[in-house]
Amino acid sequence: DQQVKQNSPSLSVQEGRISILNCDYTNSMFDYFLWYKKYPAEGPTFLISISSIKDKNEDGRFTVFLNKSAKHLSLHIVPSQPGDSAVYFCAASDLRYGNKLVFGAGTILRVKS
Amino acid sequence: SAVISQKPSRDICQRGTSLTIQCQVDSQVTMMFWYRQQPGQSLTLIATANQGSEATYESGFVIDKFPISRPNLTFSTLTVSNMSPEDSSIYLCSVLESGRTEAFFGQGTRLTVV
Repeated sequence: DQQVKQNSPSLSVQEGRISILNCDYTNSMFDYFLWYKKYPAEGPTFLISISSIKDKNEDGRFTVFLNKSAKHLSLHIVPSQPGDSAVYFCAASDLRYGNKLVFGAGTILRVKS
Repeated sequence: SAVISQKPSRDICQRGTSLTIQCQVDSQVTMMFWYRQQPGQSLTLIATANQGSEATYESGFVIDKFPISRPNLTFSTLTVSNMSPEDSSIYLCSVLESGRTEAFFGQGTRLTVV
């Protein structure tokens, strides 16, 4: 039972353009969502998060959008840079049960220069 | 954010043996977690390490296979017992600091069982 789904295994984007990574979830009790970036041989690095009471959160080049009715969130990176090339994981939690994270399968982002 | 050190960073082990992974944090943290990432898979929570008491395991994970200790607020260990090739994975320590809602991860331990 995959509660968090990232249906695109990979995405290729030209440098300077926008990268859009998508994530869907099935558990309506999730109330906190996060995006992590992971380089090979490193642990995941926290990027940005959003609470279910919001529909948008922005931090520099990174913006996360949440559509609760559709159970969908997306991460926008603009402009994309070659250093953004990594695996991006979407994660969700139900804060009633602490911060146990349920992860999606990840999307490999390649930014071409 | 807290600085998390995991040891070892990688190891190759014989089947039937056990490996203990250490997670050290440079500050006291509220919660510590252990995750596993099998090859080509996403991260899966193994257990929450509770200070001074038994860890809380997720479905599919048991204490006999993955004993966990957390003697204080900055240190935890995960042991992978009686290893088989199916245990080959990256094991990750994660921490949550007081007042924060985003968890941070160590660099992981890449385990290969032969």
